[in-house]
Amino acid sequence: KNQVEQSPQSLIILEGKNCTLQCNYTVSPFSNLRWYKQDTGRGPVSLTIMTFSENTKSNGRYTATLDADTKQSSLHITASQLSDSASYICVVTLFGANNLFFGTGTRLTVIP
Amino acid sequence: GAVVSQHPSWVICKSGTSVKIECRSLDFQATTMFWYRQFPKQSLMLMATSNEGSKATYEQGVEKDKFLINHASLTLSTLTVTSAHPEDSSFYICSARWAGGTGELFFGEGSRLTVL
Repeated sequence: KNQVEQSPQSLIILEGKNCTLQCNYTVSPFSNLRWYKQDTGRGPVSLTIMTFSENTKSNGRYTATLDADTKQSSLHITASQLSDSASYICVVTLFGANNLFFGTGTRLTVIP
Repeated sequence: GAVVSQHPSWVICKSGTSVKIECRSLDFQATTMFWYRQFPKQSLMLMATSNEGSKATYEQGVEKDKFLINHASLTLSTLTVTSAHPEDSSFYICSARWAGGTGELFFGEGSRLTVL
């Protein structure tokens, strides 16, 4: 069964600290993996997209890693800011199809 | 970057009426658009996949006669919630898949529906 699981479900960190969010998937065959940031009441915004051959990709203070062998991805946020408070969603695409599989998201709260 | 526009961003309607939500890809062609529903503090739930010029594919448990989807052009898809009831109140989001390149997926800003 194709699934995407994210952990932790929620996370609270102090402003300026780093954090890492996890995404494990069983989707196969795999096409790509995306990380999105969703502010409350807004649509998701893409942070990174990674294909099978990519191990790491950065977007400012966001760095995503992918291990296609273990089917794991992580999103590392450096020097967190209050504006990083949001839900972070991992989405995996099935190869050769339009099928997308969504994780349940990690709700991050950054406090002063 | 690519922009997907949803309209209206919020709507309040009476029970029994129908509501139409538009999803437009403003600067790219999208052969495929997706419609999602999101309840508070929950993740996105895919409702249906819409391909331009053909019938939408609905996810299990989603009533196609309740949620009418039309994808008449490469830049526009519409979701009509027919005979809306209070339990249909939710946040509806669309996404459009860029026809070229990596098939990047862009989301709209969402439409909040409240049925009284």
